[in-house]
Amino acid sequence: EPEVTQTPSHQVTQMGQEVILRCVPISNHLYFYWYRQILGQKVEFLVSFYNNEISEKSEIFDDQFSVERPDGSNFTLKIRSTKLEDSAMYFCASISGTAYGYTFGSGTRLTVV
Amino acid sequence: SQQGEEDPQALSIQEGENATMNCSYKTSINNLQWYRQNSGRGLVHLILIRSNEREKHSGRLRVTLDTSKKSSSLLITASRAADTASYFCATDGRGSSNTGKLIFGQGTTLQVKP
Repeated sequence: EPEVTQTPSHQVTQMGQEVILRCVPISNHLYFYWYRQILGQKVEFLVSFYNNEISEKSEIFDDQFSVERPDGSNFTLKIRSTKLEDSAMYFCASISGTAYGYTFGSGTRLTVV
Repeated sequence: SQQGEEDPQALSIQEGENATMNCSYKTSINNLQWYRQNSGRGLVHLILIRSNEREKHSGRLRVTLDTSKKSSSLLITASRAADTASYFCATDGRGSSNTGKLIFGQGTTLQVKP
């Protein structure tokens, strides 16, 4: 069964450093998302991406965050200057249409120290 | 309560028993989805029910949706130890930009004892 692949599975970074989280969505999917889950809390929407541009973003997704789909395959989330509160599990997801269930990746656990 | 709130927050049952989890939401929806998350792992899509549907089945799962009460329930029948996980409802809101954004609830942690 097709999968959404995320790398790395775990990343530790120093506060203030830039991180790039990588995702390979399912190839024929059209909509791409990033969500995050702080330990013990609910899953929160960050951003949606369609037709090579951001279609919606949350209040969390401030100027420190950016997304890219540089080569039609990878979908990346960049955090420019990480803060301690950015520590969370970050999930990438994709769907073929908005009336379908998501396929989530297994997540990247980001720890900011 | 916030969009997509589940109850109970935690549920512990014996193998073979049925588990029922409830979800309430506030705004109009296109669909409501249920996901499972094993500890520290990714989210697995279980079932999607559209706003014009009232009940849906998938294997041992049964989902109901009551749009007049803005609530949904997930029933897992004949539970197994492997069903131990957190279960989340998520709503795809109507009237937004139709980006497919999901709003998740806090989840129900289910423990099935062998």
